[in-house]
Formats: sequence, structure tokens, C-alpha cells
Amino acid sequence: DIVMTQSPDSLAVSLGERATINCKSSQSVLHSSNNENYLAWYQQKPGQPPKLLIYRASTRESGVPDRFSGSGSGTDFTLTVSSLQAEDVAVYYCQQYYSTPYTFGQGTKLEIK
Amino acid sequence: EVQLVESGGVVVQPGGSLRLSCAASGFTFNDYTMHWVRQAPGRGLEWVSLINWDGSSAYYADSVKGRFTISRDTSKNSLYLQMSSLKTEDTALYYCAKDRTTPVSTALDSWGQGTLVTVSS
Repeated sequence: DIVMTQSPDSLAVSLGERATINCKSSQSVLHSSNNENYLAWYQQKPGQPPKLLIYRASTRESGVPDRFSGSGSGTDFTLTVSSLQAEDVAVYYCQQYYSTPYTFGQGTKLEIK
Repeated sequence: EVQLVESGGVVVQPGGSLRLSCAASGFTFNDYTMHWVRQAPGRGLEWVSLINWDGSSAYYADSVKGRFTISRDTSKNSLYLQMSSLKTEDTALYYCAKDRTTPVSTALDSWGQGTLVTVSS
């Protein structure tokens, strides 16, 4: 199974500042047939289901603000919130869909400093 | 608008069985791979199972393999999770989720609100 490890576990950032969350997979999730990274990012606010933010490691889902961006390839990925807003307080998860069982990272809690 | 509505969560004793349902609407249900994902209280997300668009393939997390069975009924636009030999560690909010693309499985772009399963004596 592919193990997904996020860092840090929690993060406090001032409003308007940049937040960076890392995700590392135990093996590459880059699909050689199409050169796509099978990696997604989700946002979960308290009492709500997760919401898809990013897929293919760097493609924003429709309607997601452009302050959210994803980068990385192979085994190392990053979710960046360029200018933190109050509504961005949430837990963020990465997930690989390269192979079953699909696995999530343990989550990173993002708070306001 | 895509809607996924889970039901069937209850309190059940260890060793018991339960079937969860997910009613889907707002998209062509039989075109998409569907998933179950669970979240234990205060914990992170755990992928449980998927079934492909026509029901011919299913995959499971190691933690539920041999105990849970995923299925779908296209005539009812419904997804199911049959759970047996339940353990206390199966206690969680169970989400139904839709795959973003078809036929290749990718990210999960729509989620229900979840149904709570509590395994306790």
C-alpha cells in the first residue's frame, strides 16, 4: 500500500500570509502512460464533508479560488494557500489514486495565528 | 446538481451486520465509479472501497476486506455497503463519494453528508 505522510500536522498562519502544506508518498504516483500525478488535495471544514480542491497534483477544481495551488511530482507534493483568508481554516488532506487501496494523508490542521 | 444521500447508520453490537445505502441524483449514476470513505470520530479520512461504473470490479481497504461488500443498483441509482463481522474500530461516519471522471477512476469530486455507524455493546 502507498503511505501518504503530510507535514506539518498543524499550522498557524496570519491572515494574508502564505500557508504551505507538504505531502510525501511512499512510492511514486506519477503515471508513466500519461505523465500525470495521481494526487488530490481536499479541504474539510468542521461538520462538513471533504471538498475537492486540486487533482492531478496541480489542477484546481472548478470554483476553487486561485489562492489555492498545488505543485510537485513523483513522491513530493505541496499545497499552497497564497494569502490566507479566515474561511480557509480547515483540515487539509492529500490522497493518492494511483493504486488501490487509495490512501489519504493523516491531515494538516490550518489555523489563524 | 449532484446529490448523494447516505442512510442506514445505526448503533450495532460487535459481530453484527449492517447495510448502508447512498441515493444518487443529478448525474448519470451508471457512468461513474463510486466510493465509500469513512472517518472515525476526531480522526482523519480512510478510504474504504470503490466499485467501478458497471459493478464488474470492486476494491477494498485491507481493514475491511472479507467483511464488507460494495454493490450498486443502477435501476435505483443507489450505492450500498454491506458490513458484517463489525468491530468497534469500524465506528465512523461513512461517506459516499463520486469519482470525478469516467471510466478511469480519479479524485472524488462530490460527497454526501455521511451516515454514522457506531459499533458498541
